[in-house]
Amino acid sequence: GQQLNQSPQSMFIQEGEDVSMNCTSSSIFNTWLWYKQDPGEGPVLLIALYKAGELTSNGRLTAQFGTTRKDSFLNISASIPSDVGIYFCAGIPGGSQGNLIFGKGTKLSVKP
Amino acid sequence: KAGVTQTPRYLIKTRGQQVTLSCSPISGHRSVSWYQQTPGQGLQFLFEYFSETQRNKGNFPGRFSGRQFSNSRSEMNVSTLELGDSALYLCASSFPTGGFYNEQFFGPGTRLTVL
Repeated sequence: GQQLNQSPQSMFIQEGEDVSMNCTSSSIFNTWLWYKQDPGEGPVLLIALYKAGELTSNGRLTAQFGTTRKDSFLNISASIPSDVGIYFCAGIPGGSQGNLIFGKGTKLSVKP
Repeated sequence: KAGVTQTPRYLIKTRGQQVTLSCSPISGHRSVSWYQQTPGQGLQFLFEYFSETQRNKGNFPGRFSGRQFSNSRSEMNVSTLELGDSALYLCASSFPTGGFYNEQFFGPGTRLTVL
């Protein structure tokens, strides 16, 4: 089945540093979504992307829909302790009715 | 606007039993999807309901089933529970645009433990 390769698997950074993570696929996706999940909770939608090349920001978060439609990137600027959590990319494959395919997640730890 | 609610939040069952989980979507959302989250497999799509009809289904055995009511509330049922069914079950709702649903909003999940 279709898979999303998300990297890195984990990151341990200093407060104030910028963070980058990405998701790639071997097939085309129509929509890319980025979620954050805290322990014991459901994923919270951060950013949604719908067009190839689209660049969207949400506060300190910026995400891009890759021009090949096979990848997406999420950047977090000036990280703070509350950024800690697991970040998931999710995509809706081309031709699909809309079930999300998820990456395995990037676990972010921030050292004050 | 209230978010997606799921009940119960925690459940402990024994092998062979069956379980029913409930999901109430965001008001106005007509599409409800269910996902299973485990440490090993991550988030995997179970099925999606729209207007009381199952529109999409993932690769799970027939022991996993669901339904949606006229008020868009949804339930999923797992029969003959196995140890491997222990997971966080997440429900997500969305408001379709252009025939497809895009932004899915998740509930807090139901943590199912099978002993």
